[in-house]
Amino acid sequence: IHMTQSPSFLSASVGDKVTIVCRASQDISNNLAWFQQKPGEAPERLIFSASISEGGVSSRFSGSGFGTEFTLTITSLQPEDFATYYCLQDYNYYTFGQGTRLEIK
Amino acid sequence: QVLSQESGPGLVKPSETLSLTCTVAGGSLRAGSYFYSWLRRPAGKGLEWLGHVQTVGSTTYNPSLDRRLTISLDPSKTQFSLRLSSVTAADTAVYYCATTKVPHAPGHAFDFWGQGSKVTVSS
Repeated sequence: IHMTQSPSFLSASVGDKVTIVCRASQDISNNLAWFQQKPGEAPERLIFSASISEGGVSSRFSGSGFGTEFTLTITSLQPEDFATYYCLQDYNYYTFGQGTRLEIK
Repeated sequence: QVLSQESGPGLVKPSETLSLTCTVAGGSLRAGSYFYSWLRRPAGKGLEWLGHVQTVGSTTYNPSLDRRLTISLDPSKTQFSLRLSSVTAADTAVYYCATTKVPHAPGHAFDFWGQGSKVTVSS
């Protein structure tokens, strides 16, 4: 299963709202997660089952979608949100999107 | 909470075998039901799942790599290992070990990660 993530690069300002999209090459139901990775750190899961937030994750992060199209929305961007984001499908083996690097404008 | 740490050489010569070990703290690797995985992230590219070994010792590999890949469990040392043969420059990456408790909800893979180990393939 191939995951197409867009955009690959995003420039935004503190306080902005941004949306990242992931498209699966076939129906993956809700077998999708979103991870955040900061330089020098391991990835950290934010969202699983497409729309369920991990405990302790800010309510500024939300996920939606089912089947083949999924979105991660971050509202009111904070300085600590500037990182790289990946989607992951675990419907059949495991495949990540290519990543979205979110940088401060 | 499962704490894990990768270890191994940071430099491997082309055509040789890359070997890494993940040491897991927090209990026996035979207790409970887990997938112990290896993943990597080449510079400038996305994350790639390589394969996993289950608590019972059976393995599943990424089909694009399985001919070169061996993942094994050493519960007596609370470690699991990666061996990737015939490496090339394309195998240069940060390698991560990760643990998944099974069964799990959809999208709930890779619960705990190591910090990563950078491996460069170069002569």
